[in-house]
Amino acid sequence: DAGVTQSPTHLIKTRGQQVTLRCSPKSGHDTVSWYQQALGQGPQFIFQYYEEEERQRGNFPDRFSGHQFPNYSSELNVNALLLGDSALYLCASSVLGASHYEQYFGPGTRLTVT
Amino acid sequence: QKEVEQNSGPLSVPEGAIASLNCTYSDRGSQSFFWYRQYSGKSPELIMSIYSNGDKEDGRFTAQLNKASQYVSLLIRDSQPSDSATYLCAVGDGGSQGNLIFGKGTKLSVKP
Repeated sequence: DAGVTQSPTHLIKTRGQQVTLRCSPKSGHDTVSWYQQALGQGPQFIFQYYEEEERQRGNFPDRFSGHQFPNYSSELNVNALLLGDSALYLCASSVLGASHYEQYFGPGTRLTVT
Repeated sequence: QKEVEQNSGPLSVPEGAIASLNCTYSDRGSQSFFWYRQYSGKSPELIMSIYSNGDKEDGRFTAQLNKASQYVSLLIRDSQPSDSATYLCAVGDGGSQGNLIFGKGTKLSVKP
């Protein structure tokens, strides 16, 4: 049973550029959530996608956008990169409506903005 | 502002001892509670979930929940050096099955 996968593993971008990160959920999962984890901090919720729609959004600017595809995979796009966007970006998958709501994380994408 | 508080540590325990990790949360509407383990440079791994008041045991791990006190804890019995990691407490945001609110994590070090 394949777990959550993310690509790429590492990415280095220049300030002002745009980046796209990708995620495939665990088999049988229909919901994808994205988190940002800065060094020494806990993950912070960016947004959640279900049925190809943004279901919930955290306190992140519009520079952060996403998409979910019919096969449940998802993308996170960040425009006009800032130095402060350097972080580990985590994708988590889950099943909406499950009695026990658990989110499983992928390995993450380490983004460095120079 | 919904918050989850954890002692940042480091918490140092000898091998074979019980490690006790604690967490408090502010959202009284939260219904789901999780503990994740995160090794340095890796992503968080779900190790325990708890939804009802009381204790839940899984192997060497016991999660404890007290909703009245808004308190969650994780006990690790017979601690091993391989348990050395950062432990993240996460709380579900109300009943929305949406975002998880994380604490900053407690760094645990188990000394041989």
